[in-house]
Amino acid sequence: DVVMTQPPLSSPVTLGQPASISCRSSQSLVHSNGDTYLSWLHQSPGQPPRLLIYNISNRFSGVPDRFSGSGAGTDFTLKISRVEAEDVGVYYCMQGTQFPYTFGQGTKLDIK
Amino acid sequence: QVQLVESGGGVVQPGKSLRLSCAASGFTFSRYGMHWVRQAPGKGLDWVAVIWSDGTNEFYADSVKGRFTISRDNSKNMLYLQMNSLRAEDTAVYYCATGSWTDYWGQGTLVTVSS
Repeated sequence: DVVMTQPPLSSPVTLGQPASISCRSSQSLVHSNGDTYLSWLHQSPGQPPRLLIYNISNRFSGVPDRFSGSGAGTDFTLKISRVEAEDVGVYYCMQGTQFPYTFGQGTKLDIK
Repeated sequence: QVQLVESGGGVVQPGKSLRLSCAASGFTFSRYGMHWVRQAPGKGLDWVAVIWSDGTNEFYADSVKGRFTISRDNSKNMLYLQMNSLRAEDTAVYYCATGSWTDYWGQGTLVTVSS
């Protein structure tokens, strides 16, 4: 199985400042069809997860453009250009390139 | 809008069975693959199973293979998870989610396996 690794906590960030969260996979996430099925989800406290980014860098419907994704192969990053109060919670990366799908353990956004 | 509503959770003894349901609305259910994902109390997300849009293929996490069965009824816009031989470690909130990237999620239903 593909192991997804994330740090448990982000570097502390002040509201209005940028933040980034990293994710690493144990093997390349490039599918045989050339796509890379790496997505990012956000879970606010007490809520179900919500899809933010799919295929490394595509923002899902309704996701603010302060969220962006980048990376390739085995190393990926989610960036928030200006952190807002509603961004608190846990961020998960997920790979859908091969079954079983696997999630990172989640990174809690640490607000100063 | 897309709506997914899970039901069927509850308290069950180890070794027993439970069937979860997920009612879908607001999209063309028969066109999308569907997933079950679970989250143990205070823990991260754990992918459980997926079923193809037409029900012809299923894949499972190793931890549930042979015990859980995912199924769907496209005529009723319903997704199911039959869970047999339940264990304490299956205790979790179970979410259904739609699409290739788990685009939309329900609110979840809590399953507690305890004697």
